[in-house]
Amino acid sequence: DGGITQSPKYLFRKEGQNVTLSCEQNLNHDAMYWYRQDPGQGLRLIYYSQIVNDFQKGDIAEGYSVSREKKESFPLTVTSAQKNPTAFYLCASTIFPRVEEKLFFGSGTQLSVL
Amino acid sequence: AQTVTQSQPEMSVQEAETVTLSCTYDTSESDYYLFWYKQPPSRQMILVIRQEAYKQQNATENRFSVNFQKAAKSFSLKISDSQLGDAAMYFCAYRSGGTGNQFYFGTGTSLTVIP
Repeated sequence: DGGITQSPKYLFRKEGQNVTLSCEQNLNHDAMYWYRQDPGQGLRLIYYSQIVNDFQKGDIAEGYSVSREKKESFPLTVTSAQKNPTAFYLCASTIFPRVEEKLFFGSGTQLSVL
Repeated sequence: AQTVTQSQPEMSVQEAETVTLSCTYDTSESDYYLFWYKQPPSRQMILVIRQEAYKQQNATENRFSVNFQKAAKSFSLKISDSQLGDAAMYFCAYRSGGTGNQFYFGTGTSLTVIP
């Protein structure tokens, strides 16, 4: 079955540590996204990518980095510069530029600080 | 950037009754798409219903329907015959029909279904 796989489901970060969240899709989608979800704040866009080797900052990109070396993969690194990383992270993808299409979501990664 | 507003942080409904969740948005575009997503306790995001702005007819999916008022920039979700499994966070989302590369989400409404 096609879908989006996020791993790990739970992740713990120590002070000063960088951690990487994995996102893989086999839907052949061009566009991929990373959202951060905090209670009461909805989904906020961190980064998105429309094609391989290209990505754009979203509203809250500071302290995060991404890469898009392959169409199916869009990993997110939470760097030590992100001082409040505890949140639920959602990866999503969609067909672009077919704008009538919905976003497909992964099952998310809960990141916590030790 | 477009903004999406959900003014009801929490709502509750009796089982088998009807509830309406509100959503308004701000845009200068004429071509766009609107979505309602459900996020149950599992936190998996699930599409509930989609509306194309160029269609005057309100979208319907079984017990879920929308009241789309384009001039008022309003997009409410009506859930009929509410079931316990409808308990979840509901997010309204907007996608531009032009560039179409970003989705804008509201802050969500937490729906409780009372047995």
